[in-house]
Amino acid sequence: GENVEQHPSTLSVQEGDSAVIKCTYSDSASNYFPWYKQELGKRPQLIIDIRSNVGEKKDQRIAVTLNKTAKHFSLHITETQPEDSAVYFCAASINSGYALNFGKGTSLLVTP
Amino acid sequence: EAQVTQNPRYLITVTGKKLTVTCSQNMNHEYMSWYRQDPGLGLRQIYYSMNVEVTDKGDVPEGYKVSRKEKRNFPLILESPSPNQTSLYFCASSLPQGVEQYFGPGTRLTVT
Repeated sequence: GENVEQHPSTLSVQEGDSAVIKCTYSDSASNYFPWYKQELGKRPQLIIDIRSNVGEKKDQRIAVTLNKTAKHFSLHITETQPEDSAVYFCAASINSGYALNFGKGTSLLVTP
Repeated sequence: EAQVTQNPRYLITVTGKKLTVTCSQNMNHEYMSWYRQDPGLGLRQIYYSMNVEVTDKGDVPEGYKVSRKEKRNFPLILESPSPNQTSLYFCASSLPQGVEQYFGPGTRLTVT
């Protein structure tokens, strides 16, 4: 089945800096790549997603890039703020989102 | 208010005592899914359902059962819980074709 690797497992940045989280996937048939944010004690929530026919997508301070050839995709957060502190999960799906295979998560800490 | 609800939110039980965790959504979503979340392992899919009476195994289905008799409900059944099923469980739902999966608030299960 699909295997999703996520790096780094922890990331600490200063407020205002950028943060980048990278994921690789194994199944070239994967066609949907969402990113979820989970604050402490809360449920995961979608923050951005990208489909395989798109190379990059941006929403205000967050962006996702996809390299299908290399089978990796990345989350970029610019001008980080303390409220960005959370665990971020990438995921990949071969059937447009029905069965999501998640990475193990990245704990992001933004210090003031 | 559109939401996914789970009950109970917290449960401590003993090995072998059958239990059911309920999941209900009010968004008329076809797709529902169960995940377990363990430290360092991320979110792993247990079972999913693409519609009423249609269910399929995820990555870690052993020791679990599900049923989908109504569109809004997708209960998770542990016939004979064991300590290795101690975990945080999330139910999720979505429309077809890979749009956002909405997660419930989670159920923290401890099996002693």
